[in-house]
Amino acid sequence: DVKVTQSSRYLVKRTGEKVFLECVQDMDHENMFWYRQDPGLGLRLIYFSYDVKMKEKGDIPEGYSVSREKKERFSLILESASTNQTSMYLCASSSAHGNIYNEQFFGPGTRLTVL
Amino acid sequence: QKEVEQNSGPLSVPEGAIASLNCTYSDRGSQSFFWYRQYSGKSPELIMSIYSNGDKEDGRFTAQLNKASQYVSLLIRDSQPSDSATYLCAVGRPGTASKLTFGTGTRLQVTL
Repeated sequence: DVKVTQSSRYLVKRTGEKVFLECVQDMDHENMFWYRQDPGLGLRLIYFSYDVKMKEKGDIPEGYSVSREKKERFSLILESASTNQTSMYLCASSSAHGNIYNEQFFGPGTRLTVL
Repeated sequence: QKEVEQNSGPLSVPEGAIASLNCTYSDRGSQSFFWYRQYSGKSPELIMSIYSNGDKEDGRFTAQLNKASQYVSLLIRDSQPSDSATYLCAVGRPGTASKLTFGTGTRLQVTL
């Protein structure tokens, strides 16, 4: 069964803190994604990765960085958390690099609150 | 114009009725189409995928695709209160990492 896990379901941090969100998938997928989801704005892509050590900016990369040192793990880093980064963060993965059969499977999400 | 458009709803249907959810997209190069269901506070769950014109049925769900009209829909037959959720339409095209573009979702309410 497809499984994407995220390190925390809920997280509360202070402004200026460095925040790490971890995502692990056990499906040997090449592609991994980080989204944030806010009411009325839908899912917005922050960063994605199509291979180990490869990463590309999504639509809203400002204030974030990522790391992919192993195929199964994709980390999202908030270098200096700000209140406008309070959101639901969703990790997803997909297989079939370059193929049209690119359904994405999501982790349970991390609800981050920055105070 | 948004790349993937959905009516935000809420769409209210009585229990046992057919719910019809619609989605339009702007990228003619799109080749894969997905419907996700998202319960409040939860993450999106894939319920249907469709890649060619026509209908695809899976249980109570039917996805319909019309590439000429750039339109994809989801029908839910015999709607149940447990179907009450937000339904996200997602559209993809071949390319690096095969990114998907998501609509903002339609909230469905199934009433007793």
